[in-house]
Formats: sequence, C-alpha cells, structure tokens
Amino acid sequence: DTEVTQTPKHLVMGMTNKKSLKCEQHMGHRAMYWYKQKAKKPPELMFVYSYEKLSINESVPSRFSPECPNSSLLNLHLHALQPEDSALYLCASSQGQTSGANVLTFGAGSRLTVL
Amino acid sequence: RKEVEQDPGPFNVPEGATVAFNCTYSNSASQSFFWYRQDCRKEPKLLMSVYSSGNEDGRFTAQLNRASQYISLLIRDSKLSDSATYLCVVDHTGGFKTIFGAGTRLFVKA
Repeated sequence: DTEVTQTPKHLVMGMTNKKSLKCEQHMGHRAMYWYKQKAKKPPELMFVYSYEKLSINESVPSRFSPECPNSSLLNLHLHALQPEDSALYLCASSQGQTSGANVLTFGAGSRLTVL
Repeated sequence: RKEVEQDPGPFNVPEGATVAFNCTYSNSASQSFFWYRQDCRKEPKLLMSVYSSGNEDGRFTAQLNRASQYISLLIRDSKLSDSATYLCVVDHTGGFKTIFGAGTRLFVKA
C-alpha cells in the first residue's frame, strides 16, 4: 500500500466543470509535488510545495491551481480544462532536504478525463 | 538537448539475461541521481539511488560518471517480474526540481 493517498482514483469532467484532486501523506515529509503524466511519457513536474509554500511552478496554465492547506495535504483545483489535459496526475512527497537526496514517494495517481 | 536522456527502448530479453541501461544528463550542477521503476498503469517507485562510488542491490548495479555526466543501470539474471519501464531521474542541487528521463521499457520473456 502506498503511503501517499490520492483521491479520486478516476475523474471525468466537462470543460466547464470545477473539480479538485486531493493528496495526503503522513510521513512527516515537508515537500509535496504535482506531476502530470501522459501515456507512454515520463512524469512532468507541475508544482512543488516546500514547507507549505509554493517553491516551483513550471509555467503551468492558470486553469490548474494548487493549494497546500497544511504539511500533510495537497490539492489541485481544476477549472475550465481542455481535453488535452486528460492524463494521470501524480502526487509525490519527499523529506524536503535542499541538499542531499530527495527521494520521491508517489501516490497511485488520479486518472483524469476531460470531455 | 533534453535535460535527461535515456536509451530508446524497448529491450526484449530472455530470462536470465544481463541487460544494461544508459542515461545522460545535461546539467553539470546536478547532485542526486536515481533509478525509478514504473509498472504499467502504476506509479513510479524508487529502485535505487546512484552514488559516485557505484552501488549494488542484489541483481541491480548502478554507476555514476560525473565527468561524462552518465548514469547506468545493470540488471543481472533478469526475471519475468523485472518487466517494467525504468526511469532515470536527476535532481538539481539546492531545490526540488526532479527531472525524469523518458524511460526505457524492458520486456523479459520466458
């Protein structure tokens, strides 16, 4: 069982809908990540939160809005998405060291389909 | 040039074979290196970290050559269960920008 829990596992939404993806970890990790993965492609970094503050935004369109309510939770708010945004969205966490190895622990992902 | 480049796949090998994957990275300031494994429709999972002195974990051996900016993974005595995509991962120093290579698919056949 993964130590990073993502909900929902599957989500189908229309282009006018507003939905959210949720991620939770209880490993005491202080860095949390959102990645997007299309079929047969590697994960692409979207956002990184370090100690509950946004530290990296990889020029992600504003229709994706991250939120980190506390050190254990990470949300990704979705609004006015496009069909090309359909993908597997992976949440990950790491200890949050700025030096040394930052090993990522991934959740099982939320598979999003935009109609 | 991509920040992390891997051997194109797929690799199709029989059980018991030895297979090697290569990876190069472009940022000489990179400090941490990893191999992750991803099964079909599953999340990536850490296979092993890669250290300058090289490291071994059972049938798996990882090597790092900083001068050539090159990482390798050797799998000995391949098992059917080794079939997966192997992702080379590089972490830039001083931050959390973890970059994944495109991955190499391995198929081990009986």
